[in-house]
Amino acid sequence: EPEVTQTPSHQVTQMGQEVILRCVPISNHLYFYWYRQILGQKVEFLVSFYNNEISEKSEIFDDQFSVERPDGSNFTLKIRSTKLEDSAMYFCASTFMGAGTEAFFGQGTRLTVV
Amino acid sequence: QKEVEQDPGPLSVPEGAIVSLNCTYSNSAFQYFMWYRQYSRKGPELLMYTYSSGNKEDGRFTAQVDKSSKYISLFIRDSQPSDSATYLCAMNLAGTYKYIFGTGTRLKVLA
Repeated sequence: EPEVTQTPSHQVTQMGQEVILRCVPISNHLYFYWYRQILGQKVEFLVSFYNNEISEKSEIFDDQFSVERPDGSNFTLKIRSTKLEDSAMYFCASTFMGAGTEAFFGQGTRLTVV
Repeated sequence: QKEVEQDPGPLSVPEGAIVSLNCTYSNSAFQYFMWYRQYSRKGPELLMYTYSSGNKEDGRFTAQVDKSSKYISLFIRDSQPSDSATYLCAMNLAGTYKYIFGTGTRLKVLA
């Protein structure tokens, strides 16, 4: 069964460092998303991406964050200068169509900022 | 008032019981509804997707949507210890790309 894959599964980084989280969405999906989940809290929307553009972003997704589809298969989330409060699970998701269709999530990258 | 409310639990039931999990929401513009299962430190796994009021069944799972009451439910029949997880409801606001999640209900099915 097709799935969304994310690497790495766990990333430890020092405060102020840049990190790139990687995702390979389901191959025929057209819309891509990043969500995060701080430990013990709910899953929160960060950004959606379609046709090489951000289609929507949340207040969390400030100038420190960026997304990119560098090739036909990968979708990345970059955090330029990590803060302690960026520590969370980051989930990539994809959908075949846009709003309101079934969203499939990856297993997540656990980001720990020390 | 929170957009999506979900009782965090934990909810403990004996094996074989019927489980009822619920979410309420405040915005009548929510159109599409999903239930996810999440094991500890894993990604959400899609269980059910619905977009209209009424019931949808898939195996042991039944999703119910009541748009007039702004209330959705997930029923699990013949619950198993392997069903022990956190169950998340998620919904999509018309005209947006984002899914709004509930806080999740922790379910424990005791053998």
